[in-house]
Amino acid sequence: ETGVTQTPRHLVMGMTNKKSLKCEQHLGHNAMYWYKQSAKKPLELMFVYSLEERVENNSVPSRFSPECPNSSHLFLHLHTLQPEDSALYLCASSQARENTIYFGEGSWLTVV
Amino acid sequence: AQKVTQAQTEISVVEKEDVTLDCVYETRDTTYYLFWYKQPPSGELVFLIRRNSFDEQNEISGRYSWNFQKSTSSFNFTITASQVVDSAVYFCALSEGYSTLTFGKGTMLLVSP
Repeated sequence: ETGVTQTPRHLVMGMTNKKSLKCEQHLGHNAMYWYKQSAKKPLELMFVYSLEERVENNSVPSRFSPECPNSSHLFLHLHTLQPEDSALYLCASSQARENTIYFGEGSWLTVV
Repeated sequence: AQKVTQAQTEISVVEKEDVTLDCVYETRDTTYYLFWYKQPPSGELVFLIRRNSFDEQNEISGRYSWNFQKSTSSFNFTITASQVVDSAVYFCALSEGYSTLTFGKGTMLLVSP
């Protein structure tokens, strides 16, 4: 059983919809991450939260909005996405930013 | 800037063969960390190993072994006696201390019976 769980595992949404991806970590870590994995592209870091404060935001479009209410939970709010946003979104956590990052199973997103 | 190159896009082997996945990295830092992750079709990235730049000892874990050579900036991964369950995409990654991971593009390994 993974220490980082993501829901939903699969999501299909229209371009005008609003949805959210949820991530929960059970490892007692204090840093959480969102990564995007598209076909034929390397894994891209989207956001980093350390101690519930966003510390990195890699030029992600505003249609993606992260939220970290506490050290165990991380959300990615999705609004008016484009078909090119279809990808696997991976949540991850680590104990302090210099330590090993552990990933969840990912949420497969399809924008139609 | 840090960079990770996995030149092998896809490798196909028959079960019980040994296979080596190559990883070459670039960094200006003297302190850094190297990682290997496995991604099965389900999507989850499974952590396999972390190695810091000051520890060049090779590591063996069951059928897995890693060869870290600073002189060639390489961190290669060998699976001995491969099995069908080893089929996955394998990612090499680099972290410079406090920075986040930079991943290679991954190598897809297909092990056929």
